[in-house]
Amino acid sequence: DVKVTQSSRYLVKRTGEKVFLECVQDMDHENMFWYRQDPGLGLRLIYFSYDVKMKEKGDIPEGYSVSREKKERFSLILESASTNQTSMYLCASSFNSPYEQYFGPGTRLTVT
Amino acid sequence: GDSVTQMEGPVTLSEEAFLTINCTYTATGYPSLFWYVQYPGEGLQLLLKATKADDKGSNKGFEATYRKETTSFHLEKGSVQVSDSAVYFCCTNDYKLSFGAGTTVTVRA
Repeated sequence: DVKVTQSSRYLVKRTGEKVFLECVQDMDHENMFWYRQDPGLGLRLIYFSYDVKMKEKGDIPEGYSVSREKKERFSLILESASTNQTSMYLCASSFNSPYEQYFGPGTRLTVT
Repeated sequence: GDSVTQMEGPVTLSEEAFLTINCTYTATGYPSLFWYVQYPGEGLQLLLKATKADDKGSNKGFEATYRKETTSFHLEKGSVQVSDSAVYFCCTNDYKLSFGAGTTVTVRA
């Protein structure tokens, strides 16, 4: 079974802190994605990556950056956390296409 | 780009009732269509998919047919169970997946 793991299920950070969310997949997938999920808004794509050291902006990249130094790991970075970044963050990966994505369990981030 | 519009929730049903969640899409080409499901406390998982017109995807008693003439991909299940309580997302692929807002379904015993 494909497994996508995220470093934390719950995280509480203060405004202005730098936050790292880590995602690891064990199926040698080329593609990795970061979404945020908010009530009534569904999933919105923040960033994605089709290869190591490659990144593309999604629909809402402002306030975020990403890093993909190794194929299996995709990190989301909040440079200076703000309260409007309180959300559920979902990581996903897929093989050789943007569909049939496999999702991690999510990280619920609260910024106070 | 491609996008989907799905029925707003929440939807509350009794066990063994019939479930339909409407989904329509807009696309310039011929996208693949998907339904993902998110059970409480979990990430999303693929429920079913269809890659071309008239295809029917099915899984766990759920079905959806890719209707090009009505640009629809409605999700149906004939007899729901309490374990079907979840959030359901319709989506289509462009160069990336475009998700609907999600429909929360609660099934009561």
